[in-house]
This record gives sequence, C-alpha cells and structure tokens, in this order.
Amino acid sequence: GAVVSQHPSRVICKSGTSVKIECRSLDFQATTMFWYRQFPKQSLMLMATSNEGSKATYEQGVEKDKFLINHASLTLSTLTVTSAHPEDSSFYICSARDRTSGGYEQYFGPGTRLTVT
Amino acid sequence: LAKTTQPISMDSYEGQEVNITCSHNNIATNDYITWYQQFPSQGPRFIIQGYKTKVTNEVASLFIPADRKSSTLSLPRVSLSDTAVYYCLVGDMSDQAGTALIFGKGTTLSVSS
Repeated sequence: GAVVSQHPSRVICKSGTSVKIECRSLDFQATTMFWYRQFPKQSLMLMATSNEGSKATYEQGVEKDKFLINHASLTLSTLTVTSAHPEDSSFYICSARDRTSGGYEQYFGPGTRLTVT
Repeated sequence: LAKTTQPISMDSYEGQEVNITCSHNNIATNDYITWYQQFPSQGPRFIIQGYKTKVTNEVASLFIPADRKSSTLSLPRVSLSDTAVYYCLVGDMSDQAGTALIFGKGTTLSVSS
C-alpha cells in the first residue's frame, strides 16, 4: 500500500523557536495533504488542508501565521510551527490521498511528537 | 460531513469476536464509511472501507445495512495486539472531493488474556 513518511519523528525545541515538519508521499503523488494535531487521550483534530501549488486552507481556530504550510511538490508538504510555545506541544500527523490511482483510501504518516520547553 | 457516534470503550478477551457499531444517521449519498486503527504515538492505520452491504478483507469485515445509517466493524478472534483506538469515519471520498476525514472520539478496545 501507499506510504506516507514524516520527519522528524520527535523534536524538542525551546520556546520561541520555529520547527519544520516534513510530510512525504513515498510511492504516489498527493495533490492534497492534510495536517492533524492530536493531544494526549484525544482524537485527531484537523488543522489544515494543503493543496499542491496553492495556499493551504485552515480550519477555524487554527492560526495560519503560526502554522505555516507549504506544499511545493506532489510528494512533499511541510508544516512550520513558528515561535513555538509549550502549548504547541502535541502529536502532529499528516495524511494524503492517492487520487491518481482512483482509490479512496487516505494514508497517514507515523506522526511527529513536538515538545516545546 | 456526517457525524458519527460510537461507544467510547469496549473490553474483550483474546480469541473472541469483537463487533464495534457506529451510527451515522446523516450519511450522504456520496459518503463512504472508513475505519481506522490507531496505536499510541502512531498515525492511524486503514482497516477497511465500504459503501454498502458487506466488505471483508484479511483483517476485518464491515457490515452496512441497506439504509447505511450505521455500520459494524467486526474483528474476528482478537489478540492482545488488537488493543487500540478504532475510529469510524464517514466522508465523500470521490475523486472530485479533496475532503479531509474528520475524526470523532473513537472506541478504545482493550483486549485481555
């Protein structure tokens, strides 16, 4: 099946710094990727929809200037958490659909654990 | 997107069949029903997807009645490694719609020996 990777798997940063998380579709082209955030013991919460070559669409309540999303190619989307604070500590997960194959599955990455100290 | 309702938690023993039912009363014509499994600190893993009647793969079966207002995920002979959170999602997965999947609270399945 299709594989989505994320890098890094874990990152610890100091408050006020920025962190970039990469999401790659390894064996398929993803015109659309999605970014989710998950706090402990909670469900996944959609943050934004990332379309290749265009601006991301953010969910209500998600600050677009804080969570910068770039989808520069059909296999790579990046999420940059700018001026991170401890409350941004969370598990960030990306996903993508392999629409070129006609399949309806949405594949998820392994997630990135962000800890802001 | 159709909202889903599923039990918060379920307990089972190894070797038993587990059935998790999900209600989605407002499902739309183009909506598919998809189930995912998630282990702690991992991304969700696709289990099964269906539109109507019954779908079976190597790990599970999905039963969807004619009115499609509910669905049941059936896990045969569970093992300890099936302990996880199971999410039922409903959404338009047609090629024209780049629609994200919206997650509900999920069902935490605990399997004991």
